[in-house]
Amino acid sequence: GESVGLHLPTLSVQEGDNSIINCAYSNSASDYFIWYKQESGKGPQFIIDIRSNMDKRQGQRVTVLLNKTVKHLSLQIAATQPGDSAVYFCANNAGNMLTFGGGTRLMVKP
Amino acid sequence: EPEVTQTPSHQVTQMGQEVILRCVPISNHLYFYWYRQILGQKVEFLVSFYNNEISEKSEIFDDQFSVERPDGSNFTLKIRSTKLEDSAMYFCASSTTNNNEQFFGPGTRLTVL
Repeated sequence: GESVGLHLPTLSVQEGDNSIINCAYSNSASDYFIWYKQESGKGPQFIIDIRSNMDKRQGQRVTVLLNKTVKHLSLQIAATQPGDSAVYFCANNAGNMLTFGGGTRLMVKP
Repeated sequence: EPEVTQTPSHQVTQMGQEVILRCVPISNHLYFYWYRQILGQKVEFLVSFYNNEISEKSEIFDDQFSVERPDGSNFTLKIRSTKLEDSAMYFCASSTTNNNEQFFGPGTRLTVL
């Protein structure tokens, strides 16, 4: 069945450094992926999405890369700030539902 | 900026009791969803709802669960007879179409004693 998973449960980075959070998926038919940020006590917040007709998409300080060959996507955060500290989830949107990965906790050291 | 709202923020109930969690989706959205997140775990899909009917549901969404859109603004999740394992954060989400960004509410923390 479909599953979306994460490689690392916790990532610790120095403020100002770049962060890379990885995610793997199993269903090669998956065509729409989203990264969500979840701060403590809050709901998931949309960061950036990418569809399978693209391999890269950039936002403000964030970039998502999609490698369909190895079924892998990553979220890159440039110049990581203390406010970026949160749990990050990748999710696959299969139309009527989102399938979330297990989450990576990003900790930013001052 | 429009947002999804949920009430209450925290609900404490006794095992076996019925609870209703309420959500007000973004006003021009047509697709509505419930997810849950057990403490420390990933977010899990429960149900999606469109045009006044369920369009998809997960194995978690058994006969104890039901959803309703009682009026033009509210979207509710009812758990008929709560179990200890129903304790979790419940998130409502909405979207304009079924293949677009889903906007999440702040969640309701359900504690079953």
